[in-house]
Parts: sequence; C-alpha cells; structure tokens
Amino acid sequence: GAGVSQSPSNKVTEKGKDVELRCDPISGHTALYWYRQSLGQGLEFLIYFQGNSAPDKSGLPSDRFSAERTGGSVSTLTIQRTQQEDSAVYLCASSPDSNNQPQHFGDGTRLSIL
Amino acid sequence: DQQVKQNSPSLSVQEGRISILNCDYTNSMFDYFLWYKKYPAEGPTFLISISSIKDKNEDGRFTVFLNKSAKHLSLHIVPSQPGDSAVYFCAARHSGAGSYQLTFGKGTKLSVIP
Repeated sequence: GAGVSQSPSNKVTEKGKDVELRCDPISGHTALYWYRQSLGQGLEFLIYFQGNSAPDKSGLPSDRFSAERTGGSVSTLTIQRTQQEDSAVYLCASSPDSNNQPQHFGDGTRLSIL
Repeated sequence: DQQVKQNSPSLSVQEGRISILNCDYTNSMFDYFLWYKKYPAEGPTFLISISSIKDKNEDGRFTVFLNKSAKHLSLHIVPSQPGDSAVYFCAARHSGAGSYQLTFGKGTKLSVIP
C-alpha cells in the first residue's frame, strides 16, 4: 500500500525479553519519526530520522531503547530487556522531509509486556 | 509539564449539530498546529492544520480557529456525522531547534449520536 506500514501489529512478550518493531515509511519520505502512546496519554515523541541519521534521540526513555534506519527507508525500534512499563502502542510516522508537515502515521504496534 | 492540553476527555454531540473541540497550549514558540483523528486500532489520520500567521483555516466541514493571544485553538465540525466519532488529537510544532517534533495533547473522544 501507499501508507506507512508497521509490523507486527500486536506483540506480546515476557518481561526481560528483547523486541524489535519495524516501520516501512511512505516511499520517498526522508523524515521518519517514532512515537509512543501509553494508555490514556497523548503521543510521546521518541526519535526522529532524517535519512539514516538520527539527530535527536533525546526522547528515548532509557538506554534499553535504540533505533536504526538503513537505506533511508525501513526503520527498526529495538527494546532490550523489556519492562512492564514499556507496554504501549508504538507509532511510526513519516513526512517528505522534516520541514514538510504533516506527518503520516502507521497503525502502530501494540506491545504488551507480561 | 503538558505544553498542549485538551481539557475535555470526551464530548457527545447530536448528528447534524456542531462539534467544537478545544486545545490550549503554553509554548509561545509553537508556530504550526495540526488536528489528527484516530479510530480504534488505527494510527492517527491528519485532518487539518493552521499556521500561526493565520487565524482560520477551513476544509469542507472542518474549520480550525487559532487565537494566539489566548494560546487557544479549536476545531469545528459542521454538520457532525456519526462517522466523525473518533478520538481527536491536537498537535503543535515549534519553530527553531526540534521543529521536526510534534507535541500532542491527550485527545478528546467525540461521540456523534444519530
């Protein structure tokens, strides 16, 4: 499809396990963003990529969180040693570039840590 | 400290009437504002935006008003339709460093009653 694609749509895992979330942005969009939405909260910014570079990682909640983007396209968000407070919907968005809004969102990955 | 506030968690409106969703912000550096609509299990969908140089932007049934002196914006939906029932998020972007990042409110759940 033409939109932002995220996988998996749902992920249930045990506390302490590592998880990897994938985002495939809209073709041609150079800017890619990760957000997190916890229950009853707004979207919380995590990290932004322009091309393969991540100029701002300050939104990542801890050093257990990391993200990469290769080929200026697909991005993966990795959470190591997951904790229950990591349970949330993780949303990816893309835009033509960082100055060109709006951001277009995928449907998210619902992560549940048991 | 929330920089974008949506003080009404929910709103119910009769079909055909006007829906007014409100949003307040505290950061005077915000220069661009967006409204997103979100259905359950889907990602947010961009609805309408407004630059800080304007005080009104209209798109079909949707109009966004911006009052910079009051740091307040509102989304008007006229006439409201049952398909408009969703969670509406207000978001803001600020000029300067970090302008790629959107700051979201917690959302208002709109229910349009047939």
